[in-house]
Amino acid sequence: QLQLQESGPGLVKPSETLSLICAVSGGSISRSSYHWGWIRQSPTMGLEWIGSVYSSGTTYYNPSLGSRVTMSVDTAKNQFSLNVSSVTAADTAVYYCGRQRNFDYIDFWGQGTLVTVSS
Amino acid sequence: EIVLTQSPGTLSLSPGERGTLSCRASQTINSGYLAWYQQKPGQAPRLLIYGVSTRATGIPDRFSGSGSGTDFTLTIGKLEPEDFAVYYCQQYGSSLTFGGGTKVEIK
Repeated sequence: QLQLQESGPGLVKPSETLSLICAVSGGSISRSSYHWGWIRQSPTMGLEWIGSVYSSGTTYYNPSLGSRVTMSVDTAKNQFSLNVSSVTAADTAVYYCGRQRNFDYIDFWGQGTLVTVSS
Repeated sequence: EIVLTQSPGTLSLSPGERGTLSCRASQTINSGYLAWYQQKPGQAPRLLIYGVSTRATGIPDRFSGSGSGTDFTLTIGKLEPEDFAVYYCQQYGSSLTFGGGTKVEIK
């Protein structure tokens, strides 16, 4: 059974960079027809797609986040990562990683990790 | 960006009743690229339906999806105690966006 697990700091200071990793087990991140995405959820913004990455390294980002987001994939470690720079309190949310069928719906989700932006 | 508006915000029902949840899009969703998720407190969303009406693996047949264009519906045929949760629609026809959710609560 595919499992995804987010990891990273739970507290980030304003203006710094939020960095998370999603470790994938029970399946290969290199499998074709799947993208790997990040989604966040906050009381103010609800569920928000952040971006997705393919095993080749091709990325797709939500334009609303501008150039603050970068994602990458490490096929050797079977994991992918998210960086969000210049964070503010508005970036406080539960961050989920997930597997996307093609570039579509998310059929497997990680359990989520709360990231708080505060000094 | 396609905005998804879900209604009602809260649906109060009793176990055994039928639930009808609505998702309206600000513009036509291409090729029926619409999904539904269920989320319980403290858990990640779980995929229920994709492609408007296809149930995901392991989803019971009391869950059904329908609709086209800009209007979509999730129907829960007969509410079981475990169905009380928040439900979200998501479109993937043009980037990815989610609706604001409908909470199905016990009456």
